[in-house]
Amino acid sequence: DTGVSQNPRHKITKRGQNVTFRCDPISEHNRLYWYRQTLGQGPEFLTYFQNEAQLEKSRLLSDRFSAERPKGSFSTLEIQRTEQGDSAMYLCASSLLSSAGRKAEAFFGQGTRLTVV
Amino acid sequence: AQSVTQLGSHVSVSEGALVLLRCNYSSSVPPYLFWYVQYPNQGLQLLLKYTSAATLVKGINGFEAEFKKSETSFHLTKPSAHMSDAAEYFCAVSDFGGAQKLVFGQGTRLTINP
Repeated sequence: DTGVSQNPRHKITKRGQNVTFRCDPISEHNRLYWYRQTLGQGPEFLTYFQNEAQLEKSRLLSDRFSAERPKGSFSTLEIQRTEQGDSAMYLCASSLLSSAGRKAEAFFGQGTRLTVV
Repeated sequence: AQSVTQLGSHVSVSEGALVLLRCNYSSSVPPYLFWYVQYPNQGLQLLLKYTSAATLVKGINGFEAEFKKSETSFHLTKPSAHMSDAAEYFCAVSDFGGAQKLVFGQGTRLTINP
């Protein structure tokens, strides 16, 4: 396994368009996270899944944002009616919560950089 | 609520000099603490983590950090800087008790002078 994979790496879109990003986590990882990182800032938590269930959403995740993880494997993050303020790096991370409740650290993908013009 | 403050958005050291990047945290529960490194246009790579075992934690690339509860600090150090250490460094805190989500500081950009 080569780690967490995100596609596309870069996306330029016009304001008002919809965009969708994909994240493929490390294969055995059951937890998947989305973060957003704006220029000069640290990443901020958006949402996370345990298997296919979306368990928590940040208030940063407006109603224009939706995330899915339909079969507990890959995840998609869609932004509808993009705004210039959505321009950021969108990072995906995955981790493993074992059946014994042991938690491991998160591994990050290389991110998708979105530019809204 | 948890938070992280990284003191100094930009640190510059000479090659071979000591690297010290400062991180202070706030947490109402025993924290789990992390340092990540980010190279330009890349994701985050874990350098080291503190998970309530030894207070002095050794990581990759010669970095280490010491957890000091009395000072609520988790500063990152490296005895001798290398040109390849130039990057953005992020300190993060997690409660590890539930969502395991990370709360990051604003980052410190490390520049290495030849």
